[in-house]
Amino acid sequence: EVQLVESGGGLVQPGGSLRLSCAASGFTFSDHYMDWVRQAPGKGLEWVGRSRNKANSYTTEYAASVKGRFTISRDDSKNSLFLQMNSLKTEDTAVYYCARSRYSSGWHTDYWGQGTLVTVSS
Amino acid sequence: DIQMTQSPSSLSASVGDRVTITCRASQGINNYLAWFQQKPGKAPKSLIYAASSLQSGVPSKFSGSASGTDFTLTISSLQPEDFATYYCQQYNSYPITFGQGTRLEIK
Repeated sequence: EVQLVESGGGLVQPGGSLRLSCAASGFTFSDHYMDWVRQAPGKGLEWVGRSRNKANSYTTEYAASVKGRFTISRDDSKNSLFLQMNSLKTEDTAVYYCARSRYSSGWHTDYWGQGTLVTVSS
Repeated sequence: DIQMTQSPSSLSASVGDRVTITCRASQGINNYLAWFQQKPGKAPKSLIYAASSLQSGVPSKFSGSASGTDFTLTISSLQPEDFATYYCQQYNSYPITFGQGTRLEIK
């Protein structure tokens, strides 16, 4: 069974940093692209960024709203995905989801974690 | 960036109804279009990819179609558990973008 479990959310002041983790199980983590997607309170879904797999050199893509502040990394030996968030702003307040993508007619999302809440406030 | 425009933003329907939600892309996306269902307080669930392919385990009451840059999600014979918010997403190019969502409510 595919499982994605996020952790690391919490309350942080504007300008602060936070590191989110996503623990994966039930599949060969290194084969898959992995995404972070967020949802501000009462709002829609916003793609944050992507980590490609080992075969594609672990390269990353980011949304313009987080580029230069957020960094996605992964440790395939620990089946884990990370999101390092720096220079946090109040508008980064959201539930952050980790999501798996698989290849079939493009890399599309098939499984989601339960999410972790990040609140940026003074 | 590719803009994804969903319509309607909200929709009221009754149990047993058949409903259709539309998503329009601002440019061609090679049918790299996914649909997701989200219930209040829960994570999204993947329904459809490549415009019309069902994810494993998703009932056949859900179907998707494409015509150029217009995409539709159809849900037949609505049941109480189908009332939720639905999102489309294009994954043809970066940044990946979502529609604003369609809230499906019980009439």
